[in-house]
Amino acid sequence: EVQLVESGGGLVQPGGSLRLSCAASGFTFSSFEMNWVRQAPGKGLEWVSYISSRGSTIYYADSVKGRFTISRDNAKNSLYLQMNSLRAEDTAVYYCAKDGGWFGVFWGQGTLVTVSS
Amino acid sequence: EIVLTQSPGTLSLSPGERATLSCRASQSVSSNYLAWYQQKPGQAPRLLIYGASSRATGIPDRFSGSGSGTDFTLTISRLEPEDFAVYYCQQYGSSPWTFGQGTKVEIK
Repeated sequence: EVQLVESGGGLVQPGGSLRLSCAASGFTFSSFEMNWVRQAPGKGLEWVSYISSRGSTIYYADSVKGRFTISRDNAKNSLYLQMNSLRAEDTAVYYCAKDGGWFGVFWGQGTLVTVSS
Repeated sequence: EIVLTQSPGTLSLSPGERATLSCRASQSVSSNYLAWYQQKPGQAPRLLIYGASSRATGIPDRFSGSGSGTDFTLTISRLEPEDFAVYYCQQYGSSPWTFGQGTKVEIK
């Protein structure tokens, strides 16, 4: 069974940092492209970042470029999102998402990040 | 990037009625890489339809997707009580992934 389990969310002050992790199981992690998607409270879904299967290609949304860093460790079946210089508008549930190609996207359950003083 | 516009914003219907949700893209969606999701409060999105018209594993056949190019539709043939939720469309054929703003299906 495919599973994605996010962790690392919490309350952080503006300007602070957090590192999110996503533990993958039930599939060959190293073969799949991965993404982070977020959802602010009461709002819609926003793509945040993409990483290719080997980590050689990375993209970011303009809203997080220069502040967030996506990475992966295929030996540990894990995806990461380092978030620096956090702002109130970064408050959201962050989802780890597996790109299944034609077969669509598989989502984790999400981890809540709250940026507030 | 491809902008997805969903309509209507809210759909007020009774159980047993038919729901028709629309998703329009600002440009053609590559190879019909268009998905529909259902989301309930406090839960992650649940994949319903991929490839514009293919039902995901375990999804009841009252859910169907259609369309191509720039116009797509999700139809729920007979609403069950558990179907009242927010529905999102997503295109995943072009970078970056983009999402519609959602349609809320509420009990009338």
